[in-house]
Amino acid sequence: AQSVTQPDIHITVSEGASLELRCNYSYGATPYLFWYVQSPGQGLQLLLKYFSGDTLVQGIKGFEAEFKRSHSSFNLRKPSVHWSDAAEYFCAVGPGGATNKLIFGTGTLLAVQP
Amino acid sequence: DAMVIQNPRYQVTQFGKPVTLSCSQTLNHNVMYWYQQKSSQAPKLLFHYYDKDFNNEADTPDNFQSRRPNTSFCFLDIRSPGLGDAAMYLCATRSDRSYEQYFGPGTRLTVT
Repeated sequence: AQSVTQPDIHITVSEGASLELRCNYSYGATPYLFWYVQSPGQGLQLLLKYFSGDTLVQGIKGFEAEFKRSHSSFNLRKPSVHWSDAAEYFCAVGPGGATNKLIFGTGTLLAVQP
Repeated sequence: DAMVIQNPRYQVTQFGKPVTLSCSQTLNHNVMYWYQQKSSQAPKLLFHYYDKDFNNEADTPDNFQSRRPNTSFCFLDIRSPGLGDAAMYLCATRSDRSYEQYFGPGTRLTVT
């Protein structure tokens, strides 16, 4: 069955510290991978995506993610977290194709300490 | 700026009283999605349109319907809202030339 696992429900980091949010997927074919961020009461904003090619992808707001096929992972990283990064982060996988229905992970809630 | 707009942002309805949520887009995307997101959960796909073709998820209750009168607009109708339908409803769009979905800000539905 296709699934996305975000093992960390809640993470707290200090402002200026580095961040890594984990995402593991189970997918039969080559996946299309996404990270979205959601601030409280808001919609989802696309941070970055991986379709093919270079396995290290750069996104907005200083985020990057690395696709590791051998680990079935697509972890999100940021070298220095800002207080404004506090939000919920969702990893998603899709099949591509005409409909590209996304399967979302359960999300990781990031808190940033001053 | 091209965007996805949802109206209203907050909607309060009574148990059993029909309600309609609206989504519009200026991106000219041909695929539109409706998601339901309950507190602290991932978004759950209800249905989507590929152009005028409607695709319902197998587990979407019959209480939920949708209309897409043209490319720009899509509506979510909840015929008889129950307390369990209180949630954030997210609209998203996608061009068939790519795979990323663009989300609106959502409508927070409260059922009293």
